[in-house]
Parts: sequence; structure tokens; C-alpha cells
Amino acid sequence: DTEVTQTPKHLVMGMTNKKSLKCEQHMGHRAMYWYKQKAKKPPELMFVYSYEKLSINESVPSRFSPECPNSSLLNLHLHALQPEDSALYLCASSQDFASGKQYFGPGTRLTVT
Amino acid sequence: AQKITQTQPGMFVQEKEAVTLDCTYDTSDPSYGLFWYKQPSSGEMIFLIYQGSYDQQNATEGRYSLNFQKARKSANLVISASQLGDSAMYFCAMRADTTTGNQFYFGTGTSLTVIP
Repeated sequence: DTEVTQTPKHLVMGMTNKKSLKCEQHMGHRAMYWYKQKAKKPPELMFVYSYEKLSINESVPSRFSPECPNSSLLNLHLHALQPEDSALYLCASSQDFASGKQYFGPGTRLTVT
Repeated sequence: AQKITQTQPGMFVQEKEAVTLDCTYDTSDPSYGLFWYKQPSSGEMIFLIYQGSYDQQNATEGRYSLNFQKARKSANLVISASQLGDSAMYFCAMRADTTTGNQFYFGTGTSLTVIP
């Protein structure tokens, strides 16, 4: 199984809503990542979890809250988002933090109204 | 400072021809890794090829090869025998192994269109 799954595929939410994005992998990878990608731009790294501990937080606003309940799961909790947060949110995993070969999920297209 | 530079916003190639996508990088760390990813319009990022800074030989994966010129700090992607399905955005990326930990950088991407 070399797949990273993400749910939901699409999400529309209001600025007062609370929602969560989910990412799952069963490759035994110990590093997992959240990226934000705006149209026609490269992905921007948001968070990195290594062995279920938060290793990197790229100065992301607190309205984005990551959670890694176990080595296979990664969540991104969303609260009080702004319209400019509308983007494709990509999850990735790699064998470990030192390995750059990241496997990406299909992404969640988020629209904040 | 820009760590990864892709100077070709858009490229066109005839089907069955070869194409080179340029990538230059900037790091003073001796240990690093270079990657190429493909992103079709569907949005999913697909890993294509990896080159480690200590690798002696250029990486190859099927129709993809990485032309690694360490002294020039370039890591160009060569796609041979282009297919219509190769039309996508291509990103060059680098993992830098710094003293404070690993950092990842993506270039701005090159949009490749394969013409029948």
C-alpha cells in the first residue's frame, strides 16, 4: 500500500465554522506533513510531524491546529478561517524526516466563504 | 533568499521528443537531496526522481533522468519520449540538512505542455 488518503476531497466552510481535514497512510512512515498550495504556486510547508511529535511549525496562524493521534493519522483542525485560507491542502508522508521522498495525498480543496 | 530556482514558467514539447526542465539550487550544506515532482491538473503531487548530494551517478527512473551538475548547482530533469500524459506542472525541490534540522524548499514550477 503506497497510498496517502485525504478526506474530504472538497470542503466549503464559513468563517465561523470548525472543521477538520484528515490524512492517513499505512506505509509505516514516521514523518507526516501538511502543505498549503494556492493556485499556480508551489506548496508551502505548514507542519511536520516526526515520530508523532511536532517538529516544524512554519509560523502558521493558530486558526490551523495540527494533531497526530498515531503514526498513521494526521489531522488538521480548522477554526475561524479567513477567505484567503482557501487553497489546496496537501498531506504527505515519508519514511522518516531525513528522507525527502515524500508521498503526497490527493489533497483537500478548501473554500472559505 | 531563493533556494530553488526554476526559470522556465512554461515549456512546450512535441510528442515523442525529449525535453529538459531547468532547476538550480542554493545551499552551503554538504548534505542535501534534490527531487522532482509532477502535479497534473487533478492536484496530486507525484514523486518522479531523487538525487542525493553524495550520489556519484545521475539518477534515472524510466523515462526520467536527472542531470546533476554539483559544481554548477543544477539538477535539471530530462524527460525522454514525451507523452501527452506528461502535460503537467513540474516542481523541483530540495531537502537541506542544516545544523538546525532538515528544511524543504520548492521551486516555483514549470508548466509543461506536450503537443500532439
